[in-house]
Amino acid sequence: AQKITQTQPGMFVQEKEAVTLDCTYDTSDPSYGLFWYKQPSSGEMIFLIYQGSYDQQNATEGRYSLNFQKARKSANLVISASQLGDSAMYFCAMRERSYDKIIFGKGTRLHILP
Amino acid sequence: GAGVSQSPRYKVAKRGQDVALRCDPISGHVSLFWYQQALGQGPEFLTYFQNEAQLDKSGLPSDRFFAERPEGSVSTLKIQRTQQEDSAVYLCASSPSRGSTITDTQYFGPGTRLTVL
Repeated sequence: AQKITQTQPGMFVQEKEAVTLDCTYDTSDPSYGLFWYKQPSSGEMIFLIYQGSYDQQNATEGRYSLNFQKARKSANLVISASQLGDSAMYFCAMRERSYDKIIFGKGTRLHILP
Repeated sequence: GAGVSQSPRYKVAKRGQDVALRCDPISGHVSLFWYQQALGQGPEFLTYFQNEAQLDKSGLPSDRFFAERPEGSVSTLKIQRTQQEDSAVYLCASSPSRGSTITDTQYFGPGTRLTVL
């Protein structure tokens, strides 16, 4: 069964608008961590934000925030005031307590329009 | 350097050739991971080292794939008798902690793009 689902293959957003990238996940482990990574055309995976399953508050890092809805198993990334440099692939990922590896979704390609 | 480095950045191999991909993790990082990323897909786990010990190699697709980290720092991923389906970007990541910590962020290198003709 697919563990991480990103249903938006591509998105086009006007510069300076906010954008939400969707992510749902599946796990039976009560303890897990959720990550978002950005992958520009250069190929490097850049860590953006982390949310733990027991964290009471939604994670925020600068313009990035994670809308964590545990009951719905949803971990959407919100980027406020988008910039041209935000154009990239975005991956949602999960790490379960019992595993070392991170499991990635298929990604969403975000295009910021001037 | 400050981040994870990988070499070469690009590698073209003829089918049947052996290749070796190198990863230099962030200094002092205990854990090292290899991932394979096919075109248009998310990365998929290959193998994991804690220092020099290979603790998980469940993601290696065949016995043609071999990874080592003999001194607990630099790691090499070797692919023997390359096939066209091995064409992908190979990403290396490192993290500082020793154990399976959920909060442990993995920091990725730029990847090696392997093309098998």
